Amino acid sequence: GEDVEQSLFLSVREGDSSVINCTYTDSSSTYLYWYKQEPGAGLQLLTYIFSNMDMKQDQRLTVLLNKKDKHLSLRIADTQTGDSAIYFCAEMDTGNQFYFGTGTSLTVIP
Amino acid sequence: DTAVSQTPKYLVTQMGNDKSIKCEQNLGHDTMYWYKQDSKKFLKIMFSYNNKELIINETVPNRFSPKSPDKAHLNLHINSLELGDSAVYFCASSQVGPVGGKITGELFFGEGSRLTVL
Repeated sequence: GEDVEQSLFLSVREGDSSVINCTYTDSSSTYLYWYKQEPGAGLQLLTYIFSNMDMKQDQRLTVLLNKKDKHLSLRIADTQTGDSAIYFCAEMDTGNQFYFGTGTSLTVIP
Repeated sequence: DTAVSQTPKYLVTQMGNDKSIKCEQNLGHDTMYWYKQDSKKFLKIMFSYNNKELIINETVPNRFSPKSPDKAHLNLHINSLELGDSAVYFCASSQVGPVGGKITGELFFGEGSRLTVL
């Protein structure tokens, strides 16, 4: 399978911006995704970006894609305590197989 | 209506037993998946299945077998349970084929089934 890497932990203060980073190895990715997992729950899609895009903004969320460096990031503006969760990046390859990152546990300090 | 539902939500059983986890999706998707999430929250694909093809992660022991009675269901059967099988198992579905010319691909996850093997 493809390698998708993320740092495991991130702590930010409430009101600050959070930036969660992800690197991947598959150059044939079609879509890249960010999923959020709250405690005791399944993963829910936050946002996604098509591989021919550089940036996508959706309210407090900004996704940046550097295809040359195979780097994906998720910026959460004005981070709230309700944003505390595990965030997974994922990529779908041309064979429609999904590969998930290791997950980043975001802790928001009040 | 729950899009992807799994049962049971919790399962505690003895080593050596055989157990099944059921999954149903009402989204009309053509592909279903089973993922295993370990204690470190790492998520690993076990199987993906549509009505044409079963793709098995080669690291999955053959004690695990998916069974699909129809397009909306993909159950996970586990034989001879071991301590290391303790994890949360997630079912998911997606419509990876084109819909109206647009490929969506988003995965919809169930709530997870926490399996504890004693």
